[in-house]
Amino acid sequence: DAGVIQSPRHEVTEMGQEVTLRCKPISGHDYLFWYRQTMMRGLELLIYFNNNVPIDDSGMPEDRFSAKMPNASFSTLKIQPSEPRDSAVYFCASSFGGTRQPQHFGDGTRLSIL
Amino acid sequence: SQKIEQNSEALNIQEGKTATLTCNYTNYSPAYLQWYRQDPGRGPVFLLLIRENEKEKRKERLKVTFDTTLKQSLFHITASQPADSATYLCALARDDKIIFGKGTRLHILP
Repeated sequence: DAGVIQSPRHEVTEMGQEVTLRCKPISGHDYLFWYRQTMMRGLELLIYFNNNVPIDDSGMPEDRFSAKMPNASFSTLKIQPSEPRDSAVYFCASSFGGTRQPQHFGDGTRLSIL
Repeated sequence: SQKIEQNSEALNIQEGKTATLTCNYTNYSPAYLQWYRQDPGRGPVFLLLIRENEKEKRKERLKVTFDTTLKQSLFHITASQPADSATYLCALARDDKIIFGKGTRLHILP
């Protein structure tokens, strides 16, 4: 079985540009999570979906960040406009049954905003 | 708000010995506590889950304990091997909220 697939693996762009990160969860999983990881703050939950519906977006840092899940097999995290402080590794994870269940993570997108 | 503390300093353990990692938390007790392993450049990988009414969980060479009085979980790797070298994260979940610790780097020395 394929795991969680994220693209791109690396993204380098200039400040002010729009960035779109993509995620394909494991088939059959009903929860999808977006995280950001930095040395300073560790792994932070940004938003999660249940059955394609956003449930908790309290971790989204500001209005420049948005996430969508148009169907059960695809989600995007968009940053517009991007800023240098957005540089981090962004992870997508999926699970069956919610936050209490084991999560399966992708290998992340390393984002650098110059 | 809930806070999690994991040893920020790396832990060096001689091969064959038992490695013990600590996860302390403040405020409310989580309903579920999970441990993950993360290798450089990879996403976290789930290892073990323990519920608030469980004291101990085992899986092969891994053991997790959960003490709600001390607000602490311990993660043990027995007969450690160099391949066990990685960063280990604990995560607390309750009421559909989940929080991860920053992780502890473990080095198993051959």
